[in-house]
Amino acid sequence: AQSVTQPDIHITVSEGASLELRCNYSYGATPYLFWYVQSPGQGLQLLLKYFSGDTLVQGIKGFEAEFKRSQSSFNLRKPSVHWSDAAEYFCADFSGGYQKVTFGTGTKLQVIP
Amino acid sequence: GAVVSQHPSWVICKSGTSVKIECRSLDFQATTMFWYRQFPKQSLMLMATSNEGSKATYEQGVEKDKFLINHASLTLSTLTVTSAHPEDSSFYICSAPVTFEAFFGQGTRLTVV
Repeated sequence: AQSVTQPDIHITVSEGASLELRCNYSYGATPYLFWYVQSPGQGLQLLLKYFSGDTLVQGIKGFEAEFKRSQSSFNLRKPSVHWSDAAEYFCADFSGGYQKVTFGTGTKLQVIP
Repeated sequence: GAVVSQHPSWVICKSGTSVKIECRSLDFQATTMFWYRQFPKQSLMLMATSNEGSKATYEQGVEKDKFLINHASLTLSTLTVTSAHPEDSSFYICSAPVTFEAFFGQGTRLTVV
């Protein structure tokens, strides 16, 4: 069964610093990988997604993610974090179909001045 | 992108009462919608798949008589938590698939007292 691992439960970064959130997947074939952001009490907003093609994917709000098959990773990055980026981030694998979407446990991002 | 609207955003109810949560696709038709539950500090877990015009499909361990799902039209799915108890307190969120992507509602925070 596919699985998604987000090793970091909580990350704190200073405003203006760079950010990298880790995501590892276990699906053997090409996965359909997504990153979502969830602000407190809010639903999930899609940041970016990867199906195939260019392994560096650009998303909204200045985020990008790189798919690395050799490392089974799909890490989310942002060069300069803003205070408004404080939220919880979820990596998800849709390759099993919509009824078998696998979410990671999430990484909570705290941004300090 | 497509918009999924979920209502209410939060609700507090007394133990033993029932609560209805609505999920609407505002600018597209959704023959299928998904209901997730998220407990504190945990990831989203699929509860059930709502199918327009037919019975919902429930994940293992989810009580179908407790979590009633109705998908009466192509734009509306409802989740009713019947005879709610404090252990049902959670964050419930719906999503609708649109061409290799899933759009999420804002979520409903249910507190049963």
